[in-house]
Amino acid sequence: DQQVKQNSPSLSVQEGRISILNCDYTNSMFDYFLWYKKYPAEGPTFLISISSIKDKNEDGRFTVFLNKSAKHLSLHIVPSQPGDSAVYFCAASNENRDDKIIFGKGTRLHILP
Amino acid sequence: NAGVTQTPKFRVLKTGQSMTLLCAQDMNHEYMYWYRQDPGMGLRLIHYSVGEGTTAKGEVPDGYNVSRLKKQNFLLGLESAAPSQTSVYFCASSSRTGRSSGANVLTFGAGSRLTVL
Repeated sequence: DQQVKQNSPSLSVQEGRISILNCDYTNSMFDYFLWYKKYPAEGPTFLISISSIKDKNEDGRFTVFLNKSAKHLSLHIVPSQPGDSAVYFCAASNENRDDKIIFGKGTRLHILP
Repeated sequence: NAGVTQTPKFRVLKTGQSMTLLCAQDMNHEYMYWYRQDPGMGLRLIHYSVGEGTTAKGEVPDGYNVSRLKKQNFLLGLESAAPSQTSVYFCASSSRTGRSSGANVLTFGAGSRLTVL
C-alpha cells in the first residue's frame, strides 16, 4: 500500500514559468512532509519541509502548500530555472510514532528553454 | 566534512554471492537509513537505525541484514544476492534533538549501484 503518491512521473515547464509538483498521502498520522531534489548519479538533497500544523512554507523560489483535509501537498517553484531540472521526491514521516521516512516515486521535472 | 560516504560505488555480483555495503557518516548523527531506488518505484526504505546497536525494518527488508556496531557506520548485507536486488542503494543519516526539533532532514550519500547477474 503506497502511503505517499506522486502520480505524475514527469512534468515539462517553460523556463521562467511556475512549476507545480503534486503529492498525495493516505496516512493522516504523518506530521512532517519534505521535498527532496535529485540529480542523476547523485544522492537526493533536502529542499523544503512543512509541518502538518501549517498550510504553507516558503523558502526563496520554493513554496510548499499543505491541504490536510484533502491529504495533498504541492511544491511551487517560481520562477523555474534550468538548474531546477531534476527528479523531485515527496516524503513524509510520523515523528511521534516511529522514525520511518516514506518517499513517493518521484516526478521528473524538465525545464524547457 | 565528507558527510555520508558509501562504499563501494559500483559492484557486480553473481546470483547467490554475498556482499556488504558500507555507509559511514562523520556528522555524529544518531539516525541512519538504507534505501533502494528502482525505476518507477522511487526510494523504498530497507532498514534503519535510531542509534548504535539498534536496527529496525523498513518497507522492503527481506533479503537484507544490517548492523550498527559503531555510531558512524551502518552496514547493509546481502547474504545470497538475487537479480531482484539489482538496484541503486542510498544511505542517509539525520540528527534528532527531540520532538521539538522539527522535520527529520536526511543527508544522503551518493549511492551504490549493485548489479546481480
